[in-house]
Amino acid sequence: AQSVSQHNHHVILSEAASLELGCNYSYGGTVNLFWYVQYPGQHLQLLLKYFSGDPLVKGIKGFEAEFIKSKFSFNLRKPSVQWSDTAEYFCAVNPNQAGTALIFGKGTTLSVSS
Amino acid sequence: GAVVSQHPSRVICKSGTSVKIECRSLDFQATTMFWYRQFPKQSLMLMATSNEGSKATYEQGVEKDKFLINHASLTLSTLTVTSAHPEDSSFYICSAKRQANTGELFFGEGSRLTVL
Repeated sequence: AQSVSQHNHHVILSEAASLELGCNYSYGGTVNLFWYVQYPGQHLQLLLKYFSGDPLVKGIKGFEAEFIKSKFSFNLRKPSVQWSDTAEYFCAVNPNQAGTALIFGKGTTLSVSS
Repeated sequence: GAVVSQHPSRVICKSGTSVKIECRSLDFQATTMFWYRQFPKQSLMLMATSNEGSKATYEQGVEKDKFLINHASLTLSTLTVTSAHPEDSSFYICSAKRQANTGELFFGEGSRLTVL
């Protein structure tokens, strides 16, 4: 079965620290990859996405992610986190087929202290 | 980006009653909408896929007679929780896919259902 694994359940960082959240998926075919963020009390928002092309994808708010096909990974990174980055982060995979839903990882809670 | 609106954002109901949650795509037509359920501290679990004008496709373990989904137009899908019980209390999130889009979903704000 297709699955998405996020390695870190809860990450606690100080402001200005660097961030890397792991994401691995099990689907073997062509996939579209996403990172969504859910700030406290708000709905899910897209951070960035990868469909094809350059495997290093840049998203909003200084986030980036690198698709490594050989490792089935799509890790999220940010060089210097801010207190406002405190949120829940979800990695999601969509098999490249029309009409299919996203498969989500369990999410990683990021807490940034000022 | 595209806007998806859910209503109501919060609802409290008595056990045994039915609750309807609406999901609207405000500025695009959505041939496909998805309903997810999110338990506290857990991920989003897909409940069903809703295609305009046809019956919804439910995921394994989701009771179709309990969670009625209707996708009557390209901008509206509804989820009705029938004969709600306390264990149905959860956060329900809808998402919609634009016709010309390959994979990205746009999410509603979510609806928190509390069944007393």
